[in-house]
Amino acid sequence: EPEVTQTPSHQVTQMGQEVILRCVPISNHLYFYWYRQILGQKVEFLVSFYNNEISEKSEIFDDQFSVERPDGSNFTLKIRSTKLEDSAMYFCASRRDRNNNEQFFGPGTRLTVL
Amino acid sequence: AQKVTQAQTEISVVEKEDVTLDCVYETRDTTYYLFWYKQPPSGELVFLIRRNSFDEQNEISGRYSWNFQKSTSSFNFTITASQVVDSAVYFCALSEVGTGGFKTIFGAGTRLFVKA
Repeated sequence: EPEVTQTPSHQVTQMGQEVILRCVPISNHLYFYWYRQILGQKVEFLVSFYNNEISEKSEIFDDQFSVERPDGSNFTLKIRSTKLEDSAMYFCASRRDRNNNEQFFGPGTRLTVL
Repeated sequence: AQKVTQAQTEISVVEKEDVTLDCVYETRDTTYYLFWYKQPPSGELVFLIRRNSFDEQNEISGRYSWNFQKSTSSFNFTITASQVVDSAVYFCALSEVGTGGFKTIFGAGTRLFVKA
């Protein structure tokens, strides 16, 4: 069964460093998402991406964040200058098309900022 | 604006007890989807069920059942004869079809402890 994959599973970085979290969505999916979950809290929407552009973003998704689909398979989330409060689990998700509302979530990348 | 409320922060039961996790949602859309996800200690999100707003039929899957009531904007989840392996955080979530990006909004989650 096709699945969303994310790498790495755990990333440790120093405050102020740039990180790139990588996701490979399911191959025939058209909508892509990033969500964040700070430890012990709820899952929060960051951004949705469709047709090579951001379709919606939350207040969390400020100028420090960017997303990219550099090729036909990867979907990345970049944090330009990490802060301690960026430490969280980051989930990527994909969805097939407008008529199919099920989002498939990846296993997550745990980001630790020291 | 869409909102999902899970009023129960933590629930503790003894194995074989039945337990119901409450979920109340708010939306202005007439077409939307509701979900339940399980998050075990390993951290991944495990999809349990999806319901669209036009289908109010209750659903049963093994020990799991869901009660969707539009009149009270609730989508409650019951585990019958709970087991230790059911211990996890359970999230209720909502996705509005009218929203361009079709994002999913999650509740705060209910942590379920099932003791042997």
